[in-house]
Amino acid sequence: DQQVKQNSPSLSVQEGRISILNCDYTNSMFDYFLWYKKYPAEGPTFLISISSIKDKNEDGRFTVFLNKSAKHLSLHIVPSQPGDSAVYFCAASGRSGGSNYKLTFGKGTLLTVNP
Amino acid sequence: NAGVTQTPKFQVLKTGQSMTLQCAQDMNHEYMSWYRQDPGMGLRLIHYSVGAGITDQGEVPNGYNVSRSTTEDFPLRLLSAAPSQTSVYFCASSPMLGNSPLHFGNGTRLTVT
Repeated sequence: DQQVKQNSPSLSVQEGRISILNCDYTNSMFDYFLWYKKYPAEGPTFLISISSIKDKNEDGRFTVFLNKSAKHLSLHIVPSQPGDSAVYFCAASGRSGGSNYKLTFGKGTLLTVNP
Repeated sequence: NAGVTQTPKFQVLKTGQSMTLQCAQDMNHEYMSWYRQDPGMGLRLIHYSVGAGITDQGEVPNGYNVSRSTTEDFPLRLLSAAPSQTSVYFCASSPMLGNSPLHFGNGTRLTVT
């Protein structure tokens, strides 16, 4: 049973436009959410996170929105750049099972930003 | 800064062979973990450790062993490789300080024939 879902395997946008990547979760014990970016042949790199006490977190071109009632979060990239082309993973952690360090990942969304 | 270092980068095994995937971090992180990435499956947790001498199972632990004798090293052992273990393996670490993001290595691509 998938607890973190990224329902769009891929997304294609034009350079300069907004990219919106979506993520849904089912476990109400999750209280910390992260986005990772992964280039081919490299490990995932941390992009941005949000705690459940907030509904928005911003870092430069990247903003994450959290809607706890809908169990939904999204990553907005504005403006999108060709270098943003990568696989984006949504991840979540919570205090279930006594550990808030174990991350549960979604399957990822391949973002392609076209020049 | 080296961060999280994984060796080897690539490995081909025959069914039934054993091997150890190495992982070392130089950030003095207490928490270390192993994930595998398969097409269409995302990243799945195999084993993790919250400190030297302490390990626990993740989502997909069968067929893998781990140990944590030092803070720096967290090797993953395949005792008898199977084709189902063909995957890309990532080691990750983080400090045990509330909500800290994981730092990942660059992965080991394993093929079992």
